[in-house]
Amino acid sequence: AQKITQTQPGMFVQEKEAVTLDCTYDTSDPSYGLFWYKQPSSGEMIFLIYQGSYDQQNATEGRYSLNFQKARKSANLVISASQLGDSAMYFCAMREGTGSARQLTFGSGTQLTVLP
Amino acid sequence: NAGVTQTPKFRVLKTGQSMTLLCAQDMNHEYMYWYRQDPGMGLRLIHYSVGEGTTAKGEVPDGYNVSRLKKQNFLLGLESAAPSQTSVYFCASSYPGTRVRWTEAFFGQGTRLTVV
Repeated sequence: AQKITQTQPGMFVQEKEAVTLDCTYDTSDPSYGLFWYKQPSSGEMIFLIYQGSYDQQNATEGRYSLNFQKARKSANLVISASQLGDSAMYFCAMREGTGSARQLTFGSGTQLTVLP
Repeated sequence: NAGVTQTPKFRVLKTGQSMTLLCAQDMNHEYMYWYRQDPGMGLRLIHYSVGEGTTAKGEVPDGYNVSRLKKQNFLLGLESAAPSQTSVYFCASSYPGTRVRWTEAFFGQGTRLTVV
């Protein structure tokens, strides 16, 4: 079974509007961390935001927020007031305690295009 | 502040040739990882290391070997390159984190490898 599922291969949003990128996860470990990374066309992986399974509040970082619904096992990324520079591939990823390396497991990504 | 540096950035190999990708980090991270990125598949873990002198297999280890002789360096080797190894390779490093606060991984800029 997929540990991280991103069901939106591509998304379009109008500049200055908000957009939600979906992410669902699968784990039986009560302790885990959820991460979002941005990959612009230049190729680098940029860390955006983190949510821990024990965190009481949803994470926020500037225009990024994470809509964490533990019972639904979803961790959607919300980008407010989209900018042209937000056009990129976005990856949801998880770290959990069951693996010795606590490696990041990635979803397949969502390509976001911001329209002027 | 270099972070994670990968060498080289681009390489073209002929089938059967060998090469080594070098990853260096200056953040004193214990954990290091090698991922490959293919279209539509996100990032998949090849090998990882939880400390100097230790390595282990990830999700897609076949055809690759690794070594971590120094804490700051993690080498990925292809002994006999195949066209199926055409991909973008990312190195990453991180602290282990805790079950309450998972830490993000920092990525290198990637190496685009083409095997013809």
